[in-house]
Amino acid sequence: AQSVTQPDIHITVSEGASLELRCNYSYGATPYLFWYVQSPGQGLQLLLKYFSGDTLVQGIKGFEAEFKRSQSSFNLRKPSVHWSDAAEYFCAVGPIFTGGGNKLTFGTGTQLKVEL
Amino acid sequence: GAVVSQHPSWVICKSGTSVKIECRSLDFQATTMFWYRQFPKQSLMLMATSNEGSKATYEQGVEKDKFLINHASLTLSTLTVTSAHPEDSSFYICSASWGNPRTGMDGELFFGEGSRLTVL
Repeated sequence: AQSVTQPDIHITVSEGASLELRCNYSYGATPYLFWYVQSPGQGLQLLLKYFSGDTLVQGIKGFEAEFKRSQSSFNLRKPSVHWSDAAEYFCAVGPIFTGGGNKLTFGTGTQLKVEL
Repeated sequence: GAVVSQHPSWVICKSGTSVKIECRSLDFQATTMFWYRQFPKQSLMLMATSNEGSKATYEQGVEKDKFLINHASLTLSTLTVTSAHPEDSSFYICSASWGNPRTGMDGELFFGEGSRLTVL
């Protein structure tokens, strides 16, 4: 069974500081990996995704993530955090689609707080 | 990007009544839609997967008679919470994806804004 672990429930960083949110997954084959962001009371917005190829993936809003197969990790990074980045971040894993839809498993989320 | 819209965004109902939540893909045809439930400060829990024109597939532990899902068209799926009780109060989120079942999909999900249900 697939699973996702986000070890950090809460993270606080100062505006302008760098950020790394951790994500570890368990999956029996090469997974699809995603990072989503959720603002309070809102749905989820896709930041970036990894399917194959280059293990360093660039996303929106200046985010990037690196897939490390040996560590089963897909950590999200941003060089300089903005106050508007404060939100809940979810890592998700799913199977390579073979028919019937992409059923994702989400991590428990990391709440990011940005101090001004 | 593709847009998925949910309605209503917030609903309050009395215990014992039924509530319907709509999920629409506005600019693409969604062959598959997913319904999630999210408790405060927790992750999304997949409730069911619905494919257009067929019965929904429910996750283990989700009562199919309680949470009725209908995916009547390629742009609309509905979730009906029947005989709602306070413990059904939650944030319900839908997502939609598109693709050709014969050749595979892009794999990207597009999420609605969510619907907050409060049962009194």
